[in-house]
Amino acid sequence: DTGVSQNPRHKITKRGQNVTFRCDPISEHNRLYWYRQTLGQGPEFLTYFQNEAQLEKSRLLSDRFSAERPKGSFSTLEIQRTEQGDSAMYLCASSSLIPGLAAYEQYFGPGTRLTVT
Amino acid sequence: AQSVTQLDSQVPVFEEAPVELRCNYSSSVSVYLFWYVQYPNQGLQLLLKYLSGSTLVKGINGFEAEFNKSQTSFHLRKPSVHISDTAEYFCAGPGAGSYQLTFGKGTKLSVIP
Repeated sequence: DTGVSQNPRHKITKRGQNVTFRCDPISEHNRLYWYRQTLGQGPEFLTYFQNEAQLEKSRLLSDRFSAERPKGSFSTLEIQRTEQGDSAMYLCASSSLIPGLAAYEQYFGPGTRLTVT
Repeated sequence: AQSVTQLDSQVPVFEEAPVELRCNYSSSVSVYLFWYVQYPNQGLQLLLKYLSGSTLVKGINGFEAEFNKSQTSFHLRKPSVHISDTAEYFCAGPGAGSYQLTFGKGTKLSVIP
C-alpha cells in the first residue's frame, strides 16, 4: 500500500519542548497539505506545498509553527516551544497535479496525535 | 469565506435502517464537495466526491450523496447501515485559498444493534 504515511503516530511532550512530525505523501503526488484537528472539530487547513514550494502559509497558527518540503518529497512540520493548546491531531494529505477539479481530491494519512503536558 | 455546515453533530440509527447525514455549503463559483469518514484514532478516508457531472454520486461502502445546487446541499445517504459504519463523517468543500479544503464539524454516526 503506497498511501500517505505519517510518523510518529503519537507524541507526548512537555510544554516548551520542540517537536517535529514527518509526512510521506503518495509517491506521484506533487501537492502536500498539513491540517490540524482538535477534539470535536473538523480538520483546519494550515499550509500546503506544490513540489518544494510552500504556496500558502498564512494559516499557520503562529510563528512557532513551520513546515518544510526540501526536495519535494516528504515534509516536516515543526512546532517550537509547545503549549498545551497545541495538543491536537496533525494530519497530512496529498493530491496530484492532474488538470481539472480532480486536483482538489486529497488523500489523508493516519495523523500524528500530539499531547502537550 | 467559504463554509460547510453539518447540521447534526450526532446521529444514532438502528442497524439495517436508512440514514441521511446533512451537509450544506456556501455558494461558490467553483463547487467541489467531498465526504470523508474517520474511524477512532485514524486519519480521514475519502468516501465519495462531487467534482462535476451527475448530481448523484456513489462512493464506497454503499454510500451515496446528491449534489443539490438550488438548496446548496450535499447530503450523504445509505439505505441500510451496518455496525461497521459507526464512525465520524466529515463534509468538505472549497476553502479560502487555492486547493484548500474547508471541513464541517463532523457528524458522529452511531449504529445501534
